[in-house]
Amino acid sequence: NAGVMQNPRHLVRRRGQEARLRCSPMKGHSHVYWYRQLPEEGLKFMVYLQKENIIDESGMPKERFSAEFPKEGPSILRIQQVVRGDSAAYFCASSGTNEKLFFGSGTQLSVL
Amino acid sequence: DAKTTQPTSMDCAEGRAANLPCNHSTISGNEYVYWYRQIHSQGPQYIIHGLKNNETNEMASLIITEDRKSSTLILPHATLRDTAVYYCIVRVEYDKIIFGKGTRLHILP
Repeated sequence: NAGVMQNPRHLVRRRGQEARLRCSPMKGHSHVYWYRQLPEEGLKFMVYLQKENIIDESGMPKERFSAEFPKEGPSILRIQQVVRGDSAAYFCASSGTNEKLFFGSGTQLSVL
Repeated sequence: DAKTTQPTSMDCAEGRAANLPCNHSTISGNEYVYWYRQIHSQGPQYIIHGLKNNETNEMASLIITEDRKSSTLILPHATLRDTAVYYCIVRVEYDKIIFGKGTRLHILP
């Protein structure tokens, strides 16, 4: 079984550009979670989605950030007009039965 | 906010058992105790979880006190590859995981 797949592994953007991070959950999983980890800091919850629904977005910044998990295809975390402070590792996790969350290897976003 | 308290860091000699404590005095009856670890900058890795009873799998053992207010993760024979940040988490089903600061475990050769 393939694990949670995130791509790209590394993403470099200039200030003001858009960043799109993709997450393909494990087969059969319909719950996706996004987390952000700033350098030398802990993992911060951002958003929890089920297919076509946002369940909990209490950790999402109010502006520039959005997430979706369409009926078909991967979950997307979109950051518009990136700033240097968005530079971080972004991790996606998925679950099926809502017992264990399985995490991907992350996308390292660098904003120049 | 995380609902658990863990020591900031711990050392353990290679080959010895590593015992990582966690306090969760406000745990609710329907909350599970989960343990994850993060090795360097990799994605967090699930270790074990339990509700009331002690649990064991191929990676570790989880000992939960009878009142459920604290628990201990045991890595029976620590290796250098077990050096990581270990997170103790309480969580109900169908909910997100909130990570605290965890315990930075150093395995000493």
